[in-house]
Amino acid sequence: GESVGLHLPTLSVQEGDNSIINCAYSNSASDYFIWYKQESGKGPQFIIDIRSNMDKRQGQRVTVLLNKTVKHLSLQIAATQPGDSAVYFCAETLAYKYIFGTGTRLKVLA
Amino acid sequence: NAGVTQTPKFRVLKTGQSMTLLCAQDMNHEYMYWYRQDPGMGLRLIHYSVGEGTTAKGEVPDGYNVSRLKKQNFLLGLESAAPSQTSVYFCASSYSTNSPLHFGNGTRLTVT
Repeated sequence: GESVGLHLPTLSVQEGDNSIINCAYSNSASDYFIWYKQESGKGPQFIIDIRSNMDKRQGQRVTVLLNKTVKHLSLQIAATQPGDSAVYFCAETLAYKYIFGTGTRLKVLA
Repeated sequence: NAGVTQTPKFRVLKTGQSMTLLCAQDMNHEYMYWYRQDPGMGLRLIHYSVGEGTTAKGEVPDGYNVSRLKKQNFLLGLESAAPSQTSVYFCASSYSTNSPLHFGNGTRLTVT
C-alpha cells in the first residue's frame, strides 16, 4: 500500500480547488490512453479513457486532454475532494500491451 | 459480479520456495495480464495472455511462469523465489486492447 507511493512526485491542492495531473507518454503509435486512481492497499481503478482520434473527453468532475504533438496527457479534477487523495497514473496501449507511467500522488488539504 | 479476484492477498516465502498466485475473472475477458508494482517504478508487465491457451513474455518475465488453461483463470508461478521478487503483484484483464484494464486488489509477496 503506502510503500508503493514512495519517491513519487506529489501534488498538493486545497479542497475545492481544481487539480491538474500531467503525464508524458512514450510512443507516438499508441492509440488508446487511460487514467487510473490507486488508493493505498488497493488495485488501480479506472477513471477515464480517451482514444487518439480525440483531444478532450469529459466525465463526472474529470476531464482528460490529449496532445499528440508533444505526447502529453493530462487529467483535470474539478472541485477536488478529500476522497480524491490517491496515486494517479496514466497508461497507453501499444499492440497487446498497456504501458504505465510511474504516477503522481495527489494530496488534498482541508 | 466479482470482477478480478486474486489469491492469496499476502504471502511470505523463504528464498528458494515456490508458489502460485491465482487470478480469476468473471467478465469473459480475452486478455489477461500479470504486473508487479515496486516503489518508484510503476507497474511492470511480467507475462500476458491474449486468449485461452496462450501466453507471452512481458517486460520482466525472468523467474516467473504462467498458464492460461481456462479463459477465466491466469496463474503466475514462482519456481524458486528470490528476495528481488518481493513486490506487490497485480492481475488485470480486458475485453480488448482498446478497453480499460480491470485490476484485482493485489498480492503482497515478501521473500526473505
